[in-house]
Amino acid sequence: DPKIIQKPKYLVAVTGSEKILICEQYLGHNAMYWYRQSAKKPLEFMFSYSYQKLMDNQTASSRFQPQSSKKNHLDLQITALKPDDSATYFCASSQTGRGDTQYFGPGTRLLVL
Amino acid sequence: DAKTTQPDSMESTEGETVHLPCSHATISGNEYIYWYRQVPLQGPEYVTHGLQQNTTNSMAFLAIASDRKSSTLILPHVSLRDAAVYHCILRVASTGANTGKLTFGHGTILRVHP
Repeated sequence: DPKIIQKPKYLVAVTGSEKILICEQYLGHNAMYWYRQSAKKPLEFMFSYSYQKLMDNQTASSRFQPQSSKKNHLDLQITALKPDDSATYFCASSQTGRGDTQYFGPGTRLLVL
Repeated sequence: DAKTTQPDSMESTEGETVHLPCSHATISGNEYIYWYRQVPLQGPEYVTHGLQQNTTNSMAFLAIASDRKSSTLILPHVSLRDAAVYHCILRVASTGANTGKLTFGHGTILRVHP
């Protein structure tokens, strides 16, 4: 059974719209992360949360907002979508959030038209 | 986190043992060496990590130089499923200031031929 679930797997959106990317982990971890990978580029760190509190935000735009309703959930809300937001978004988790091993989900591929 | 240098790509044949090098000349004493691999359309997969001693698991052997300025990920008897981009990443050990950020580069594309 998959330990980190990301939904949906694929997402197509129109410019200016809003979407929520879902991430759930069943590893019993206390830290969760979001990364983004645009075409032909390395993975780029976006956010880290530990015990449902924001640890680090490396995203310049406030259009990206993580939402943690439960310890094992970290959703990503993206507002006013732009074509440049098209990328694959990966969720990850780790036990504590302090230098321990991160495990990644399968990703959500977002295409903004 | 300090920077790593890896070759852009490497070629191999099924059944061979592959040595993937990584240079990290400015590594700090409290930085771990992590290896992840990624195949297209999938998330990165953890391979192994180490601090000073060589490590081994079911996926690979990690050889760390005595001065820690370089390391080599050794993949025994590679198969087509081992074809991926391999990332060598430095991570600061657990501290209060650590926010968990992993910094990925372009990694090494490993191609495996039948």
